[in-house]
Formats: sequence, structure tokens, C-alpha cells
Amino acid sequence: DQQVKQNSPSLSVQEGRISILNCDYTNSMFDYFLWYKKYPAEGPTFLISISSIKDKNEDGRFTVFLNKSAKHLSLHIVPSQPGDSAVYFCAASRWGGAQKLVFGQGTRLTINP
Amino acid sequence: DTGVSQDPRHKITKRGQNVTFRCDPISEHNRLYWYRQTLGQGPEFLTYFQNEAQLEKSRLLSDRFSAERPKGSFSTLEIQRTEQGDSAMYLCASSSRQLNTEAFFGQGTRLTVV
Repeated sequence: DQQVKQNSPSLSVQEGRISILNCDYTNSMFDYFLWYKKYPAEGPTFLISISSIKDKNEDGRFTVFLNKSAKHLSLHIVPSQPGDSAVYFCAASRWGGAQKLVFGQGTRLTINP
Repeated sequence: DTGVSQDPRHKITKRGQNVTFRCDPISEHNRLYWYRQTLGQGPEFLTYFQNEAQLEKSRLLSDRFSAERPKGSFSTLEIQRTEQGDSAMYLCASSSRQLNTEAFFGQGTRLTVV
């Protein structure tokens, strides 16, 4: 069973606009969520995280929103830049930190000039 | 410290052969994880160590897989009698127990079983 789902395999956004990547989860025991970015031939790189006690966390151009009642989180990137083109994974943990992560399938984001 | 290091980056092996991968975590991290990623999917958790103790193994990890972390430093993942279905990217990650807000990933070892 897919406990973390990213239903959009790909997303194309114009440079300078907002990119919104979505993620849904089914396990109500998850209490910590992360977003990773992955370039080809590299390992995932951590972007931003959020604990279930919060509903928003912001770091520069990146903001993550968590809606626990809907079991939904989203990553907003604004403004989008060409270097943001990559595959984005959301991940969840039920252990309060970055351990034993359950990943979604990923969304390929393409930023068009 | 240059981050999590994995070796080799690529491995091609014949079905039935044994392979071993190495991971060197960030030096002050006491937690180490192995994940496997297949095409079009996100990484899947395989196993994790706290210091030298292997605390959990996923059901994905068959008896042909074994992992060790002697002395709580580097870790090895061995696959015996490889099968074509073992072809994947094997990712290692590490984190600190004290500051467990993110896991740092290595670049991975891509295994191809022919």
C-alpha cells in the first residue's frame, strides 16, 4: 500500500511564477514530513521539513503547508528558478524525525524560461 | 567532511554473483540508513543502524541481503546470489540522533544485474 502519494508525475511552471507540489498520506501516525529534491545521478537533497504540531514552515523561497485533517501537504516555491528543475519527493516519518522515511513516487518539476 | 560517501557508484554483475556496497556516513552521525530506489519510484526503507546496532530491517530485505556497521562507522550492504529484480539504486543516508531533523543522502550505488 502506498502510504505517501504524489499524484502528479510531472509539473511545468514558467520561471518567476509559483510552483506548487502536492502530497497526500494515509497513515495518521505520521508526525514529521520532509521534502527532498533530486537531480539525475545524485542522491536526494533535503529542502525543508515540518512537524505535525505546525501547519506551515518557511525557508527562503520554499514554504511547506500541512493540513492534518486532509492528510495533505504541499510545497510552494516562489519565485521558481531554472535551477529548481528536478524531481521532488515528499517523505513522512512516524518517529518525530528523519528516520525510517516513507517516500512518495516523486514529481518532476520543469521550470521553463 | 564532504557528506555521505558511497562506493562504488555503479556496479554491473551477473545474476547469481554476490555484491557488496560501502557507505561512509557523516562522521558525527550515529544513525545510518539504507534505502532502495527503483525507476519511477521513491526510495524505500531497507534497514537502519544506531551506532553499530541494526535496529530494524524492512520486509523488503530478503535473506539474501545483509548489512553491517562494525564499530558504528562505515556500513556495508551485501547481496548474495543476485537476481535481476535486485537492479536498483541503493542509497545510504545518515542523521544525528541529537538533531534528527533531516537525513543526508549519499549519491547512491546503481546496481545492474544482467
